[in-house]
Amino acid sequence: SAVISQKPSRDICQRGTSLTIQCQVDSQVTMMFWYRQQPGQSLTLIATANQGSEATYESGFVIDKFPISRPNLTFSTLTVSNMSPEDSSIYLCSVDAGRGTEAFFGQGTRLTVV
Amino acid sequence: SQQGEEDPQALSIQEGENATMNCSYKTSINNLQWYRQNSGRGLVHLILIRSNEREKHSGRLRVTLDTSKKSSSLLITASRAADTASYFCATGDYNFNKFYFGSGTKLNVKP
Repeated sequence: SAVISQKPSRDICQRGTSLTIQCQVDSQVTMMFWYRQQPGQSLTLIATANQGSEATYESGFVIDKFPISRPNLTFSTLTVSNMSPEDSSIYLCSVDAGRGTEAFFGQGTRLTVV
Repeated sequence: SQQGEEDPQALSIQEGENATMNCSYKTSINNLQWYRQNSGRGLVHLILIRSNEREKHSGRLRVTLDTSKKSSSLLITASRAADTASYFCATGDYNFNKFYFGSGTKLNVKP
């Protein structure tokens, strides 16, 4: 199993500003995933982050808006840039336990943009 | 989008009753998993069923998978108030082990 720590757990931000969310895993993992969960909705995959390479973004998400860093095998950050109220969501970090097995999730960052 | 659909969107039952949730998906899969989410927080993995399996049990949970119909069901037997949560199915693809989540079922178990 993997234990994932996500910071901050929640934040209220002004529109036009940026927020960086940190994700720390207690073991080395190849791939880390970032999801967005809008209010009352399901999880949508934003991007996959591999160490040492550019993140791979899903359709509808772009690097300028959601830059991701993956400096080593236990850590990643997601930045939500130039925020608007539509960015108010829960952002979750996830890692997989190996091909074809379960995923582990952080507790999420609840972001409110005012 | 590869995201699946779940029904019902919301389910309200009495404690002790069984709860059944259904999930449909769109593409070929490596596996299908069910997760629980309490109060919009992190997800907890419940059970995984591989594409070559048809049924799996774990405690009060029973999952079925019909790959010909691209559908799965989650049955929670003898439900408890603590089972109140949102339940999501997620499909894993063969290539990158990414997960795509269904729309979710919000279960309310009344004591």
